[in-house]
Amino acid sequence: GAGVSQTPSNKVTEKGKYVELRCDPISGHTALYWYRQSLGQGPEFLIYFQGTGAADDSGLPNDRFFAVRPEGSVSTLKIQRTERGDSAVYLCASRGQRDSEAFFGQGTRLTVV
Amino acid sequence: AQTVTQSQPEMSVQEAETVTLSCTYDTSESDYYLFWYKQPPSRQMILVIRQEAYKQQNATENRFSVNFQKAAKSFSLKISDSQLGDAAMYFCAYGWSGGSEKLVFGKGTKLTVNP
Repeated sequence: GAGVSQTPSNKVTEKGKYVELRCDPISGHTALYWYRQSLGQGPEFLIYFQGTGAADDSGLPNDRFFAVRPEGSVSTLKIQRTERGDSAVYLCASRGQRDSEAFFGQGTRLTVV
Repeated sequence: AQTVTQSQPEMSVQEAETVTLSCTYDTSESDYYLFWYKQPPSRQMILVIRQEAYKQQNATENRFSVNFQKAAKSFSLKISDSQLGDAAMYFCAYGWSGGSEKLVFGKGTKLTVNP
């Protein structure tokens, strides 16, 4: 596609529920990143994929958070037993092999009520 | 650990004037990139300008330029001839050239442009 696509744009869920957030990167980009942006803060790194594998998951806050990228393109961020503190904008970015620049999607705003 | 600090939560500028946004960072690495991203209400992070640490020359993109002081670990953004469309959140970010090249962001500066 022309840019990084994230769905849904907004998601409201109840505390304790499971959610999945989807990221469709720019075609051909091997690197994919997830970031979380809380209100009034800059984005914080969650996880990095190079191809299908999670090369760096040091930013995942706890074991309720998990992400996959089974075919090296689309990625899904999965959050179990959601808590109100998980409310944030979740941003996805992708980068080509020779690029220093990462291209961002418009994010998914997750609200846990 | 790398950190990025933006000390100005909010700035304002008159249309057609010049404004400078400040950023400092901390790293022990020698090979890295620095970025300024713009985030309008649409939430999408848009790259404004980038600087490779090994380059001494300051990067310039049209009305946007940086003042990169490597020894001082300072990376400020100057916006000339400010336009109403420049109003947004601006984030300074650091990326290390080795490893994952994940970005470390500052907390951002909200820029208001007054007509």
